[in-house]
Amino acid sequence: QSALTQPASVSGSPGQSITISCTGTSSDVGSYNLVSWYQQHPGKAPKLMIYEVSKRPSGVSNRFSGSKSGNTASLTISGLQAEDEADYYCCSYAGSSTLRVFGTGTKVTVL
Amino acid sequence: QVQLQESGPGLVKPSQTLSLTCTVSGGSISSGDYYWSWIRQPPGKGLEWIGYIYYSGSTYYNPSLKSRVTISVDTSKNQFSLKLSSVTAADTAVYYCARDWRTTVVFDPWGQGTLVTVSS
Repeated sequence: QSALTQPASVSGSPGQSITISCTGTSSDVGSYNLVSWYQQHPGKAPKLMIYEVSKRPSGVSNRFSGSKSGNTASLTISGLQAEDEADYYCCSYAGSSTLRVFGTGTKVTVL
Repeated sequence: QVQLQESGPGLVKPSQTLSLTCTVSGGSISSGDYYWSWIRQPPGKGLEWIGYIYYSGSTYYNPSLKSRVTISVDTSKNQFSLKLSSVTAADTAVYYCARDWRTTVVFDPWGQGTLVTVSS
């Protein structure tokens, strides 16, 4: 089972919107609405931002939203802020043989 | 709220066994709603799921690591543990423990992580 594919980096100016893609296969992202997204600042543990494709945990800003189309899930950050600069990882259920697979990770830079 | 804390040696020699423990506080590891997972992150690289355990002792491991991984649970101490055998430099990583929501496949919360270096 290979890692889900994410762009290595995405950048945007403060106030802009950016979208991070997470491409899998019909065995993982495409078959299950069990995609989650994590934000990781340097030296810190990942933090849950989105689960079940588009649900936001309590306390997470509504500037973060998730969606899915086919084998690709996406995380959109609107009204980009300096504090959003971090690494972002997607994760998907990958069926009964592999269970869980992470994305390759995307570094978000706020210009 | 539930908190997790990893503990164990920060340096392991090649070919030896890496051993870590995760202590859960603020909640019971015996809750049927969750698995308890280990995840690692080599320096400068991405996340890799290692495996999980249920409070009953049932386990599931990443197929790529299955031959070297053992995860166990001690419900009396509210702890679960990771053993990774025959380590090499490629196993150098920050190791995280996390609560794994069974029905939604979510990792939350995470421990702070502990760096394990494999070196002679």
